[in-house]
Amino acid sequence: DAKTTQPNSMESNEEEPVHLPCNHSTISGTDYIHWYRQLPSQGPEYVIHGLTSNVNNRMASLAIAEDRKSSTLILHRATLRDAAVYYCILWRGADGLTFGKGTHLIIQP
Amino acid sequence: DTEVTQTPKHLVMGMTNKKSLKCEQHMGHRAMYWYKQKAKKPPELMFVYSYEKLSINESVPSRFSPECPNSSLLNLHLHALQPEDSALYLCASRQGRTDTQYFGPGTRLTVL
Repeated sequence: DAKTTQPNSMESNEEEPVHLPCNHSTISGTDYIHWYRQLPSQGPEYVIHGLTSNVNNRMASLAIAEDRKSSTLILHRATLRDAAVYYCILWRGADGLTFGKGTHLIIQP
Repeated sequence: DTEVTQTPKHLVMGMTNKKSLKCEQHMGHRAMYWYKQKAKKPPELMFVYSYEKLSINESVPSRFSPECPNSSLLNLHLHALQPEDSALYLCASRQGRTDTQYFGPGTRLTVL
């Protein structure tokens, strides 16, 4: 499976944008880029996914580099409820998800 | 309804006990998953069921026995577990035509 690399932790202030980076230099053409997050004491929660083009939904935006070797999850206005571990995952479908260590996002009030 | 439910929320068992974890979804998803998550670690895939048939077993010890009685229900039968099996057990389901997995809240298992 292609691997992803994320910073162990990041800190941001409430109501400010947050940019969470992910490197995936060995991505293949059929890999979708998925982001999930896990709030404390909860199961993981789907955030967003994309293949080649940038994507937006009600939770976040996903910016994908032109060569697809990196991507950035953007939370436009972080709240305290966004404090979680964010996982960047490459997935071709059908099989289960292979989680990396993720980024622990800390939001300061 | 985008909910995956898991029961019980917490379970404490001895090494000689037999217990079962239950997972249920009513979203019509035909793929269901079991993951194991140790403290401060990411989830790890255990089993995948597709159309009620086991399609992936990630070399999980036989003391864990999955079962999918119907398209809405997934069980994990536990027998002769070890203390190192203590973890959060997560169930997930996936809609066939999208790539989104929906996770339940998990069952926190403690083996004494």
